[in-house]
Order: sequence, then C-alpha cells, then structure tokens
Amino acid sequence: KQEVTQIPAALSVPEGENLVLNCSFTDSAIYNLQWFRQDPGKGLTSLLLIQSSQREQTSGRLNASLDKSSGRSTLYIAASQPGDSATYLCAVRRGNEKLTFGTGTRLTIIP
Amino acid sequence: DTAVSQTPKYLVTQMGNDKSIKCEQNLGHDTMYWYKQDSKKFLKIMFSYNNKELIINETVPNRFSPKSPDKAHLNLHINSLELGDSAVYFCASSQVTGSTNSPLHFGNGTRLTVT
Repeated sequence: KQEVTQIPAALSVPEGENLVLNCSFTDSAIYNLQWFRQDPGKGLTSLLLIQSSQREQTSGRLNASLDKSSGRSTLYIAASQPGDSATYLCAVRRGNEKLTFGTGTRLTIIP
Repeated sequence: DTAVSQTPKYLVTQMGNDKSIKCEQNLGHDTMYWYKQDSKKFLKIMFSYNNKELIINETVPNRFSPKSPDKAHLNLHINSLELGDSAVYFCASSQVTGSTNSPLHFGNGTRLTVT
C-alpha cells in the first residue's frame, strides 16, 4: 500500500528566502508525481507534474525534483513571497489511476 | 470558464437526511473522481469513473452512491447522513485514456456540515 509523507507539517520562513518542501513515498512504482497548492477554503491548484521518467520540472520560481529509487520528491521555491503562503500537497499516481496524497505542508511566508 | 465546477459550495443539513453534490467538467476529460478531505486536511479518494464506468471504489459506506450520466458529470448522492460525513468533498477530473500522465484538475470543494 502506497504511503506518502510530507515533512514538516508546517513551515514558516521570512519573505525572500529560498525553501524546500519534502515528499517521500513508499512504493517507487509510480507513473507520475504531482505537486498541488491549496489555499484556505479553496480547491487544489496543480503546480507541477513530473513523469516517472523525468528528474525535474520547473515553472517560474518553482522547481520540483523526483528521485524514484529513493522514493523522494522536493519542491523548491525561490525568493519566497507572502502570496506563496498555502498548504502544499504532493500526490503520486500508480497504475490504477488513483492518486495517493501526502498530508501536506502548511507554508507561511512572513513579510 | 470554470474547468471543474461543483455545487453547492456549502451544504448544512441534519443527520438522517439525503443530499446530493453535483460536479461538471468542461475539459473534455474522460475520468472523474470524488475525494474526501477530513478535518486534518487529509485527502482520500472515494470513487473514480472512466467514461461513465466505475473503476475505483474505495472502502466507502454504501450510503454514498456516485452517478455519472455522461463523462462530463459525476454526482455524489449520500443517504442517511451521519455526523462523521462532515468534510470537504472535492471533485476532480483528468484525461486517462491514451495517456496515464495527465494532471488532475480539482473543483473548489463542497463543505458538508452534518448537525
């Protein structure tokens, strides 16, 4: 059974700093890994999707990496801004098309 | 322009009632999902339909019954609501056939409160 863990559960950093969010999964037989952001009271917004054959994906100030063999992914956020404050979730997809979500990291950027 | 829309946004009802949540996607995706997010913010899949056919049915009480009239719609009907059903329910869609690597697109959620 796939288990997805995100540590830390909460993180606060001053504005302007670079930061890394971690995601680990127990079963490396995945099709892809997706990072989402969730704002309070809102739905999930897809940030980056990394295929199982890829090592990283970039979008603006965001960079996500994937190391299947070690069951890890990181989301790097450069030059953080207060608008980056949200909960970040990673999710892995396996062959039955089901996404298994992590428990999320609640990020607060301090102005 | 909303890609995945679900209604209502908020639903407050009493125990024992029956209620429905509707979901529609205009992305042309062939697969739709229902997820439940509990009070600890953990998201767990409930159901998945591909081209109107049920393909994932997690361990969910049979009081929950999904219905997909066409591949753009997936509704969730809940009978005999219980306090523990209080949660946020998210609908999502993706394109699976021909590509297993399509991102998931989520609706904004329906916050269900059972009193």
